[in-house]
Amino acid sequence: GAVVSQHPSRVICKSGTSVKIECRSLDFQATTMFWYRQFPKQSLMLMATSNEGSKATYEQGVEKDKFLINHASLTLSTLTVTSAHPEDSSFYICSARGLTELTNYGYTFGSGTRLTVV
Amino acid sequence: GIQVEQSPPDLILQEGANSTLRCNFSDSVNNLQWFHQNPWGQLINLFYIPSGTKQNGRLSATTVATERYSLLYISSSQTTDSGVYFCAVASGNTPLVFGKGTRLSVTA
Repeated sequence: GAVVSQHPSRVICKSGTSVKIECRSLDFQATTMFWYRQFPKQSLMLMATSNEGSKATYEQGVEKDKFLINHASLTLSTLTVTSAHPEDSSFYICSARGLTELTNYGYTFGSGTRLTVV
Repeated sequence: GIQVEQSPPDLILQEGANSTLRCNFSDSVNNLQWFHQNPWGQLINLFYIPSGTKQNGRLSATTVATERYSLLYISSSQTTDSGVYFCAVASGNTPLVFGKGTRLSVTA
């Protein structure tokens, strides 16, 4: 089936530093990818929609200058958390929709990145 | 936007019991998926089911699109079924919107 690879799976960083998270579709092309954030014992909340070759679309309340998204190819989107602070500690997970039979037209998710800012 | 409500929020079962999880949504959708999130956070895609009925082993799901709800059935539950079950929907090319989930605990 369709596979979305996300790295790193876990990262601990110091407050004020930046962290980059990669999301790759391994066996299909994804013109659109989505980034979600999940706080403990809560649901997944959409942060932004990443479009290949164009600017990302951010949900209300998400700071675009803090969460930089780059979708430079049909198989790779990156999320960079800039100047991270402890309140940015969360579980970040990406998703891609493949418009082929391989993906059954559904959304496939990466394995997530647990970010801890100390 | 679309609203997704899941019930019950929490469920405790004895091993071997059956259960039904419900997902109500507020608008027409062309994509509905059920996920199981394991203790490590990974989302496992259980069903892509915008309409109709599907079965996979001890799990089955039914979506009645005209009435805007979906049901996930778990039969003969096992401790490994524990975790959070999410229903997520989308309309057109919009991203998936998630419900708040049902937290299932299966005890031996």
